[in-house]
Amino acid sequence: RKEVEQDPGPFNVPEGATVAFNCTYSNSASQSFFWYRQDCRKEPKLLMSVYSSGNEDGRFTAQLNRASQYISLLIRDSKLSDSATYLCVVRHSGAGSYQLTFGKGTKLSVIP
Amino acid sequence: DTAVSQTPKYLVTQMGNDKSIKCEQNLGHDTMYWYKQDSKKFLKIMFSYNNKELIINETVPNRFSPKSPDKAHLNLHINSLELGDSAVYFCAAAETETTGELFFGEGSRLTVL
Repeated sequence: RKEVEQDPGPFNVPEGATVAFNCTYSNSASQSFFWYRQDCRKEPKLLMSVYSSGNEDGRFTAQLNRASQYISLLIRDSKLSDSATYLCVVRHSGAGSYQLTFGKGTKLSVIP
Repeated sequence: DTAVSQTPKYLVTQMGNDKSIKCEQNLGHDTMYWYKQDSKKFLKIMFSYNNKELIINETVPNRFSPKSPDKAHLNLHINSLELGDSAVYFCAAAETETTGELFFGEGSRLTVL
C-alpha cells in the first residue's frame, strides 16, 4: 500500500460546483496533515493545514479522520482559478527525522 | 525578491555528463530540501538539511551529492547523468524540520538526452 494515496482524477467540474477530494495514508503514527496546491508547471504551495477537528478557509474545508486514516478537501463554489493539482501531504517521524510525504495529487479542472 | 531561488531553471544535457543545480533561500529558515518530481508528477524527497547538517537521505543513487555550504544554500550535484534522471528538481525551505509549510523554488527542469 502506498504511503499516501489519492484519486488522480482528473475531476472536471463546472464553475460554481462543489467538489471533494479524498486521501488515505498508511502510517498510523502520522502526525500532521496538509493540502498543497500545484498549478501546471509551477511549484507546490501550501493551501491549508488539516486539523483534527476539521477546519475551513473561505470556500475550502479540510477534514481528518484518524480512525480511518483519511483526509478530505471540499471546495465550494468552484472558480476557474481553482484549476490545479491538489496534493495531500502527511508528516510522520522516524529515525530522528520528520518527513513530509506527498501524494501524487488530484487534478481539478473547473470548466466555464 | 524570490524567497527560494534555483538555478538553472532549465538544463538539457547528454547522458554521462555531470551537472549542478544551485538553491538559495532568503527566508532565514533552518531546513532545506531537495525533491524530485518525475514525469508522473510524483514528488519524492531526496535530501534534507537542517542548519547545514544532513538529516534525511533517501534511497538515492550516490551519483547525487548534496552540499550545504551554509544555512541559506543547498546545492545538488549529479554525476554521470542517466536518462532516468530527467525530472523537475525542486528545492524547498522550511522554518524548522517539524514545520509543515515548505516554500518551494520554481523548479529546475532537467532533460537528459
